[in-house]
Amino acid sequence: EVQLVQSGAEVKKPGESLKISCKGSGYNFSNYWIGWVRQMPGKGLEWMGIIYPGDSDTRYRPSFQGQVTISADKSISTAYLQWSSLKASDTAMYYCVRQSGGGIGTDAFDIWGQGTMVTVSS
Amino acid sequence: SYELTQPPSVSVSPGQTARITCSGDALPKQYAYWYQQKPGQAPVLVIYKDTERPSGIPERFSGSSSGTTVTLTISGVQAEDEADYYCQSADSSGTYVFGTGTKVTVL
Repeated sequence: EVQLVQSGAEVKKPGESLKISCKGSGYNFSNYWIGWVRQMPGKGLEWMGIIYPGDSDTRYRPSFQGQVTISADKSISTAYLQWSSLKASDTAMYYCVRQSGGGIGTDAFDIWGQGTMVTVSS
Repeated sequence: SYELTQPPSVSVSPGQTARITCSGDALPKQYAYWYQQKPGQAPVLVIYKDTERPSGIPERFSGSSSGTTVTLTISGVQAEDEADYYCQSADSSGTYVFGTGTKVTVL
C-alpha cells in the first residue's frame, strides 16, 4: 500500500525549534515530488513548498521562503519540515502530500499523510 | 501569485445535483484538481486533470472545464458527500495554489 505516515502532534513554545517528518512507503520515494500543505484552524489549504527527494530540488511559496525549511533523506524515504523559531501563528495542521508522477506542477496530490498538528503556545 | 476563487458554500438536497465552481485566470493553461475534506480527516483527491476520476471515487463525481472556470459536479448527492471541497492548480515553474474552498451542505 502506498502511504505517507507523519510524525505525531507537537506542543511547543514560541521561539522553539521543531522538525516534523513524513515517511513514504510502498513506492520509490526518490522519484516523486513531496509537498507540504498548511491548514490553520478552521481555514483552507495553503501550499507551502515541495521537494524532489531524488536530487533535493526544493521550491517554496514566497510567503514561506525563509520561514521554514523543507528537506528529505531518500535513504530512509523521509521528508521533513522544520522551523528554527516558532511563532503562535504557526499553530496549524500540516500535511505532507505526494505529487502523482511527472515533472513539477504537472499532476495531482494523490497521496496525503494523516497530518501533524503543531500547537505553539506560551 | 494567482488565486483560485470558489463560492464559500453550496447547499443541496439529497438526490439533487451540486455544482461547485473554481475560477482563475491561469486555468485555460493549467489542469485543475479537486479534493474532498471531511471534518477531522485529510483531504482526498476526487478529480484530476480537470475531468479524470481516480479509482475508488464514485461515478457521481465529475469534472468539467470551460475557459477560466472549472466545475466539480456531484450528481445524486448523498449525505456522505457533505464536506469541504478544494480546487487546486499548478504550473511548471513549481507554483501550486489551492482554491478558497467550498462547504457543501446536504439539507
